[in-house]
Amino acid sequence: EADIYQTPRYLVIGTGKKITLECSQTMGHDKMYWYQQDPGMELHLIHYSYGVNSTEKGDLSSESTVSRIRTEHFPLTLESARPSHTSQYLCASSDNVKGDTGELFFGEGSRLTVL
Amino acid sequence: DAKTTQPPSMDCAEGRAANLPCNHSTISGNEYVYWYRQIHSQGPQYIIHGLKNNETNEMASLIITEDRKSSTLILPHATLRDTAVYYCIVRVDMRFGAGTRLTVKP
Repeated sequence: EADIYQTPRYLVIGTGKKITLECSQTMGHDKMYWYQQDPGMELHLIHYSYGVNSTEKGDLSSESTVSRIRTEHFPLTLESARPSHTSQYLCASSDNVKGDTGELFFGEGSRLTVL
Repeated sequence: DAKTTQPPSMDCAEGRAANLPCNHSTISGNEYVYWYRQIHSQGPQYIIHGLKNNETNEMASLIITEDRKSSTLILPHATLRDTAVYYCIVRVDMRFGAGTRLTVKP
């Protein structure tokens, strides 16, 4: 069973609010990822990190930021939420053994609704 | 980074083998082939991965061509619970494509 946790699971918030989605893993994985997915649509990689103080942008990252100050923690922040940010956000982590990215372990997701 | 091409959808009869193809003609020598599946809005579930050799586990088999430009995921005896979107990934940054929507029919 994967030890990766996301909070909140569900969030309804008004336009213009700042929000932070939390993601923590206890497996000591170096690599962590954030994906965004609308119902029935593709998973889009929005940010990823290969370790502490390392962050990279994915495909839809221009409206959010991430930080990786500790190995186990990879929060995602939206400075000013908009209705277009309504979506499910999935966090994942993986180990890196001898160049093999390794299996992705996913959290249960954070479903965000912006009114 | 290599990209993948998968058929958008496939059907399979319950109890029969489901063979899901993936083309990854630009794969580089150190990139692994991963397969995941996603049922409804749950997080993707890891199935199997490989580099050069064919692989088998309790869920599926992975056949990788000798030139590594394509692979096939085989579900030997598909059940209704195998209905899902199946993703083939060969990128180090783990970007998912559109995948193949597999429907297993009674």
